Amino acid sequence: GAVVSQHPSWVICKSGTSVKIECRSLDFQATTMFWYRQFPKQSLMLMATSNEGSKATYEQGVEKDKFLINHASLTLSTLTVTSAHPEDSSFYICSAGGISYNEQFFGPGTRLTVL
Amino acid sequence: GENVEQHPSTLSVQEGDSAVIKCTYSDSASNYFPWYKQELGKRPQLIIDIRSNVGEKKDQRIAVTLNKTAKHFSLHITETQPEDSAVYFCAASRGTNFGNEKLTFGTGTRLTIIP
Repeated sequence: GAVVSQHPSWVICKSGTSVKIECRSLDFQATTMFWYRQFPKQSLMLMATSNEGSKATYEQGVEKDKFLINHASLTLSTLTVTSAHPEDSSFYICSAGGISYNEQFFGPGTRLTVL
Repeated sequence: GENVEQHPSTLSVQEGDSAVIKCTYSDSASNYFPWYKQELGKRPQLIIDIRSNVGEKKDQRIAVTLNKTAKHFSLHITETQPEDSAVYFCAASRGTNFGNEKLTFGTGTRLTIIP
């Protein structure tokens, strides 16, 4: 299968600061990338879908001005959590899909802790 | 939108016995049903999937069945081993290229294999 990476794997920040998380498809062109949030002992909740070169589509209840998503190339999407607060602490996972594959490939996740 | 329910939330079985996890979905247009295994702090791993034109699929000790009329699908693990202990998620999607379609996840089942 294809490989998706995320950076950083974990981050600790102070309340009110912004954090950027990168999601990269290493060996294929990702036409679509997805961002999920997973709280402890809960399921993956889709936050938004991004397509290269266009605006992300956010799920209901997700603040687009707080969670900024940029899919600038076919191998990179970024999620920026702006003015982070402790309730934003979670495990953020991206996944990517390409036209050559008929499944999504998940990144290893980024654990965000906001103090 | 799609809603996926998953049962049970926790399941403990003796090593060597079988485990069954069930999911129901609401959107009759869903046509792709993957199952993921997630270990603590790790990314979800696709273990098996089934498309709506198939009623059953098997891969060694793992099998998935689909009942489109009743809108439910199940994961069967036979001859369970300690390394099967993890959280399992079902998911549903619709479309043609499933790598580019959003997934709706079930709530997860924590499976514990008792040695």
